[in-house]
Amino acid sequence: DARVTQTPRHKVTEMGQEVTMRCQPILGHNTVFWYRQTMMQGLELLAYFRNRAPLDDSGMPKDRFSAEMPDATLATLKIQPSEPRDSAVYFCASGLGTGAYEQYFGPGTRLTVT
Amino acid sequence: AQSVTQLDSQVPVFEEAPVELRCNYSSSVSVYLFWYVQYPNQGLQLLLKYLSGSTLVKSINGFEAEFNKSQTSFHLRKPSVHISDTAEYFCAVMDNNDMRFGAGTRLTVKP
Repeated sequence: DARVTQTPRHKVTEMGQEVTMRCQPILGHNTVFWYRQTMMQGLELLAYFRNRAPLDDSGMPKDRFSAEMPDATLATLKIQPSEPRDSAVYFCASGLGTGAYEQYFGPGTRLTVT
Repeated sequence: AQSVTQLDSQVPVFEEAPVELRCNYSSSVSVYLFWYVQYPNQGLQLLLKYLSGSTLVKSINGFEAEFNKSQTSFHLRKPSVHISDTAEYFCAVMDNNDMRFGAGTRLTVKP
């Protein structure tokens, strides 16, 4: 049963600390997405990659957020320094990237910045 | 670029009543259409999709959606809802390998 995995599932940190969230896409998927979900803003696309190359990161605050794919089995999203307004659930999703592909979502990382 | 509008942010309904969750999109090219469901404390999961062919598509748990090209709509319906259908539902549109989600509709089924 192939699934997208995300770690950690929960993270509580203090303002100013660095936060790193990790995602393992489904094996064989070449497209990876990062989303942020809050009650106020709903589901926001932060960035996405195809074949490990960033295609769109226009939804991401560039001054503190960074997203990378060191290899095909790992995607990371970093926040440095973190702020209380970053508190949200961060989802990773992966897909085949061609044709009418669906996105498979991970369980999310719930981030709380105090 | 395409956009997706879900006309209702919240839909409360009683158990066994019918429900319709509305979705409209704008796109200049042919699109693929999806409905995703998010249960509490979980990620989104695919409910059903329209790619081509029959404009009426169905899910295994009784939901259906109809693609209406002239009205650029893809409304989700269920003739009789259950308590377990309480969730958030997202409409999504894909064109040129670019997928965009609507803001979501929170369906609450009351006993």
